[in-house]
Amino acid sequence: EAQVTQNPRYLITVTGKKLTVTCSQNMNHEYMSWYRQDPGLGLRQIYYSMNVEVTDKGDVPEGYKVSRKEKRNFPLILESPSPNQTSLYFCASSLSAGRPWDEQFFGPGTRLTVL
Amino acid sequence: AQSVSQHNHHVILSEAASLELGCNYSYGGTVNLFWYVQYPGQHLQLLLKYFSGDPLVKGIKGFEAEFIKSKFSFNLRKPSVQWSDTAEYFCAVNLNTGFQKLVFGTGTRLLVSP
Repeated sequence: EAQVTQNPRYLITVTGKKLTVTCSQNMNHEYMSWYRQDPGLGLRQIYYSMNVEVTDKGDVPEGYKVSRKEKRNFPLILESPSPNQTSLYFCASSLSAGRPWDEQFFGPGTRLTVL
Repeated sequence: AQSVSQHNHHVILSEAASLELGCNYSYGGTVNLFWYVQYPGQHLQLLLKYFSGDPLVKGIKGFEAEFIKSKFSFNLRKPSVQWSDTAEYFCAVNLNTGFQKLVFGTGTRLLVSP
C-alpha cells in the first residue's frame, strides 16, 4: 500500500531533550516536506527536500533540523525542544518538486508535547 | 507574501443542508488549487484540485469547487452534507513557479449535526 508513515505518533518529552521524528514513504517520491499544524494557524511548512541531499527551509524552520540521506526517509530533528514546539506534525511527499499541480500525500501525524 | 484566507473558521450545519466554504488567495500568477480534508484523528487527504481547464472541478464524496480567477477564489461546495462530512477543511495554493510551495489556509472546522 502506498503510504507515508511517521513515528512516533504521540510523544511527550521535556525541554531540551533531543528527539527525532521519522518519516518514510514507499512511493519513490522526490519531494518531501514537514509541516506543523497549530489551532487557528493551519499548516505551516518547516523544511522541505527536493531530492536526496537537497533540503531547504520552509516558513518556520527555527529549532528544527532535517536530513535526506535516502530517498524514502526524511527525519525531523529537534535538537533542544522547547514548549513552543508543542504541536501536531505532518510529513508529506509528492512525486516531484517540479510538478506543483500534483497532490501531496500526508502521513498520519505526530502529536508532540514538550513540557 | 502569498497568503490563503478561509473566512469561515467554524461552520455548523444540519444534515442535508448545503455547504459553501470560502477560500481566497493573494497571488497574481498561475496557481494550482487544492482542497484537503482532515477527518477527526486522521491525516489530510485530497478532496479535489484545480490546475487547468474547466474551472468547476468535482472531487470525492460529492464535493465540488469553482475557480474564479477574477475573484482569486476557489470556494468549496456540497449540495447536501452528511454527518460523516464532519471534519476540518483546508484550502491550499501551490504557486506555479516550477517547484512545490504549498501554502495552506487556516482551515474551517465543519460540524454536521444529525
